[in-house]
Amino acid sequence: GESVGLHLPTLSVQEGDNSIINCAYSNSASDYFIWYKQESGKGPQFIIDIRSNMDKRQGQRVTVLLNKTVKHLSLQIAATQPGDSAVYFCAEGPSSGYSTLTFGKGTMLLVSP
Amino acid sequence: SQTIHQWPATLVQPVGSPLSLECTVEGTSNPNLYWYRQAAGRGLQLLFYSVGIGQISSEVPQNLSASRPQDRQFILSSKKLLLSDSGFYLCAWSLNINYGYTFGSGTRLTVV
Repeated sequence: GESVGLHLPTLSVQEGDNSIINCAYSNSASDYFIWYKQESGKGPQFIIDIRSNMDKRQGQRVTVLLNKTVKHLSLQIAATQPGDSAVYFCAEGPSSGYSTLTFGKGTMLLVSP
Repeated sequence: SQTIHQWPATLVQPVGSPLSLECTVEGTSNPNLYWYRQAAGRGLQLLFYSVGIGQISSEVPQNLSASRPQDRQFILSSKKLLLSDSGFYLCAWSLNINYGYTFGSGTRLTVV
């Protein structure tokens, strides 16, 4: 699974605003979903995950929502901070039998003070 | 705890020169290992993955090859680099795909 070719869409927000980053996934059989954050020049880091038997999961300042009906995943960041500026990737994983994740194309989040 | 090491962090190589990037994982056994490439401002392109020693799956036909000589070592190679091989190369590991990957810190390769 790969997400190449297109320039990344960008979301610009003000510090303190809430951010919502969206992702459409392709495989209705996917059972596991992850959001990664990639800062400039670094490898992606795990933020939060959710399994297909859940609709919502909350972490510290982040919430992931899963809508299986329309195959849509979103990441909500509360009180966005300049340190949240990064590229965010969603990824989906199958229920069994495969060894790779399928990544979305990524969204660049820019937070201005 | 498990850690992943990737080196070098940056590399500038002339066109036609060979390449060897190394990735090692510590603190676990029989991980799944992955090589991704990321062009500037782009998404993640899966290049190779391995579910065991000597087992390599190639996702994209290209100028690169991968090898897994030891359980926790994954090497990305090229005999002759092309300008188009420039990019950010990421290694990752997982024990179970249903718990996601852990990525290394990446290697920035510039072919000149």
